[in-house]
Amino acid sequence: KAGVTQTPRYLIKTRGQQVTLSCSPISGHRSVSWYQQTPGQGLQFLFEYFSETQRNKGNFPGRFSGRQFSNSRSEMNVSTLELGDSALYLCASSRTSGWEQFFGPGTRLTVL
Amino acid sequence: QQQVKQSPQSLIVQKGGISIINCAYENTAFDYFPWYQQFPGKGPALLIAIRPDVSEKKEGRFTISFNKSAKQFSLHIMDSQPGDSATYFCAASWAQGGSEKLVFGKGTKLTVNP
Repeated sequence: KAGVTQTPRYLIKTRGQQVTLSCSPISGHRSVSWYQQTPGQGLQFLFEYFSETQRNKGNFPGRFSGRQFSNSRSEMNVSTLELGDSALYLCASSRTSGWEQFFGPGTRLTVL
Repeated sequence: QQQVKQSPQSLIVQKGGISIINCAYENTAFDYFPWYQQFPGKGPALLIAIRPDVSEKKEGRFTISFNKSAKQFSLHIMDSQPGDSATYFCAASWAQGGSEKLVFGKGTKLTVNP
């Protein structure tokens, strides 16, 4: 069974630009969650989508948004990038939700 | 308080030694406590998990000890190997609004020296 895939793996952007990250969950998984990982803050929850609906949201500004498609694939968008947005963005999928999550390898975003 | 406090931030152990990582929580509504392992360049992967009505769970060299009254739980890695060198995250989940939520500790970077 194929794991969670994320594209692209690496991105370099400049301040003020916007970026879209993509995540394909494990087949049959309907829940997709996004996390931001930084050395100082660990894994911080951004949002969760289930059946194309945002079900949970973390404490991030409105510049961070996402969506989920009918095939459960998900995208995350960050507008007006700031230097502090440099991080590893991880996508995780699960059948419904909960503690057993399957993570992708992440997208390393660098904002210059 | 929907958070989990993890310590230490980093840990160096000799091969064959015991690695111990500790986590503490406040929210008694947490209903599952998983541990995740992350190697460089990879996403975290579920290692082992425990329910709050169980005091200990063992899988191979990895053991979770759970102290409900103290609101603490810990991961013990017996006979630590260089291949165990990774970042470990404790986590806690709880049900809210018809779904399960998950919060992570800040991670412990484990280095096992040969």
